[in-house]
Amino acid sequence: GAVVSQHPSWVICKSGTSVKIECRSLDFQATTMFWYRQFPKQSLMLMATSNEGSKATYEQGVEKDKFLINHASLTLSTLTVTSAHPEDSSFYICSARDWTGEGNQPQHFGDGTRLSIL
Amino acid sequence: AQTVTQSQPEMSVQEAETVTLSCTYDTSESDYYLFWYKQPPSRQMILVIRQEAYKQQNATENRFSVNFQKAAKSFSLKISDSQLGDAAMYFCAYRRGGSNSGYALNFGKGTSLLVTP
Repeated sequence: GAVVSQHPSWVICKSGTSVKIECRSLDFQATTMFWYRQFPKQSLMLMATSNEGSKATYEQGVEKDKFLINHASLTLSTLTVTSAHPEDSSFYICSARDWTGEGNQPQHFGDGTRLSIL
Repeated sequence: AQTVTQSQPEMSVQEAETVTLSCTYDTSESDYYLFWYKQPPSRQMILVIRQEAYKQQNATENRFSVNFQKAAKSFSLKISDSQLGDAAMYFCAYRRGGSNSGYALNFGKGTSLLVTP
């Protein structure tokens, strides 16, 4: 079945550094990918919708200059957390749906990235 | 915006027994999809079951079935013959209809399911 690969799975870095997370659809094309954030014991909250070849759409309250999204191809979207601080520590998950499939096709999720900022 | 409500933060079931997780949602749309996802401690999101709003028949996947009440905007998940491996966080999710892939999922807050031997 369709697979979404997310890398890295876990990253620890110092405050002030930038971290890039990659999300790839391995066997289908995804014109749209989604980035979610999940705090411990909470639900997934949509951060932004990544659109191939155009600007991402950010949810209210999400800083677009802080969380840079690039969707340069039909199989790759990247999320860069710029100048990360401890409050950015969280679990980030991407998802994508095969745009050629039927409307009931589910989204496929990456395995997530655990980001820890010291 | 569509909201999804899961009123049970935690549920417990004995192995081999049946448990029902509740989910309600609020929408003014007629075309939409509903999903149940399972998230074990590994935090991987696993699709359990899905339901198209235009279908009256309740979806079933092996031991998992739903009770979809469109008028009541209710979408509960029933797990039969519960197994230890069913222990996880369960999220109910809503997505707008249409073939457009640009619609994200709206998730409920989740229900933590504990399965006891």
